[in-house]
Amino acid sequence: EIVLSQSPGTLSLSPGERATLSCRASQSVSNNYLAWYQQKPGQAPRLLIYGASNRATGIPDRFSGSGSGTDFTLTISRLEPEDFAVYSCQQFGNSPLTFGPGTKLDIK
Amino acid sequence: EVQLVESGGGLIQPGGSLRLSCAASGFTVSSNYMSWVRQAPGKGLEWVSVIYSGGSTYYADSVKGRFTISRDNSKNTLYLQMNSLRAEDTAVYYCARQDVPYGVKTGYFDYWGQGTLVTVSS
Repeated sequence: EIVLSQSPGTLSLSPGERATLSCRASQSVSNNYLAWYQQKPGQAPRLLIYGASNRATGIPDRFSGSGSGTDFTLTISRLEPEDFAVYSCQQFGNSPLTFGPGTKLDIK
Repeated sequence: EVQLVESGGGLIQPGGSLRLSCAASGFTVSSNYMSWVRQAPGKGLEWVSVIYSGGSTYYADSVKGRFTISRDNSKNTLYLQMNSLRAEDTAVYYCARQDVPYGVKTGYFDYWGQGTLVTVSS
């Protein structure tokens, strides 16, 4: 089973700043099949990115994903107030699929 | 519009059973890979079970032998039968549709329900 770790655990930034979130896998993720989700309190996760770098339908272009192998990054170019949430990565290149523990992005 | 609506959660004693339902609209459950994913209070997401479009089912080791995933095609509804419940099963349970790339056995989750809370406690 692939174990995903995310860093930092909490990231405190201000609106307008750039956010860089990391997801690291214990072994190479096949075909870079990695997804990112946003989750706000009391809500279900929302798909942001799949296949490491493909934005899901309706996701603003300030969200971008990159990386390959074992190291992946989610970048939010310019934070909007609604972007403060928990972000989780998930790999689906190997069974069973697994999730990272999440990074909480909060307002500084 | 795709919608997933879970129901059936609640407070149950250890050792008890519960059946969760997930009513889908806007797409056909039987034509898709459908999963249950759970989230314990204050914790991360954990995949629980999947049913493939062809009917094959798979489970996380933590629930194997205790949980059963199924679907009713006539009702376009997904189910999770949970038996021998433990305190560590306490979580919000989400049903979610999986988009699976060609050639792999699993995928990412493009649509999620709002979740239903299961609390296992005496």
